Amino acid sequence: AQKVTQAQTEISVVEKEDVTLDCVYETRDTTYYLFWYKQPPSGELVFLIRRNSFDEQNEISGRYSWNFQKSTSSFNFTITASQVVDSAVYFCAPVGQGAQKLVFGQGTRLTINP
Amino acid sequence: EADIYQTPRYLVIGTGKKITLECSQTMGHDKMYWYQQDPGMELHLIHYSYGVNSTEKGDLSSESTVSRIRTEHFPLTLESARPSHTSQYLCASSELRQRNIQYFGAGTRLSVL
Repeated sequence: AQKVTQAQTEISVVEKEDVTLDCVYETRDTTYYLFWYKQPPSGELVFLIRRNSFDEQNEISGRYSWNFQKSTSSFNFTITASQVVDSAVYFCAPVGQGAQKLVFGQGTRLTINP
Repeated sequence: EADIYQTPRYLVIGTGKKITLECSQTMGHDKMYWYQQDPGMELHLIHYSYGVNSTEKGDLSSESTVSRIRTEHFPLTLESARPSHTSQYLCASSELRQRNIQYFGAGTRLSVL
């Protein structure tokens, strides 16, 4: 079974600041996947990234970057030069290779102030 | 772009009423899911399906039921709504060929008075 901890329940920053959202997970699977989703105020979940456990290369997509540290079971998400539209709740979710069920933590509510 | 639709978006209903929340996807995904989310809280899986005529209960016990008669359709039914059912319900679908990424609908916000 998987478990995820997002210790930061709320973060508030001023626009253009960089911000990092932490994600620590637990799993007994040797192969697994890690997801990040964004939930804006409208309520739907928007897929951001899927990472395989055997690929520890960090990833950058525009202002978004992800740092995967298998040794510390962390998969942190950084937004560079934050914008007001980044305001949302962000969820990290692990899933085992054979399973299909995402395990969500409580998420981190990010507020970007103008 | 995800093509998964949920109706209604908002529903206010009295106690004891029977309701069905609709979820449809046009992507041909074989797997579909229902999550329940209270405001500001995590999502909990309540039902899932790996294909037609396949339904399973999720990690969170729910009084709702689901059916999967067609690939694209995965409705959720509450036979007798109660205030404790007030929540947001999110539907998702996924497909092995799309790396099992779950794509979500916009959700249904249910209020039972």
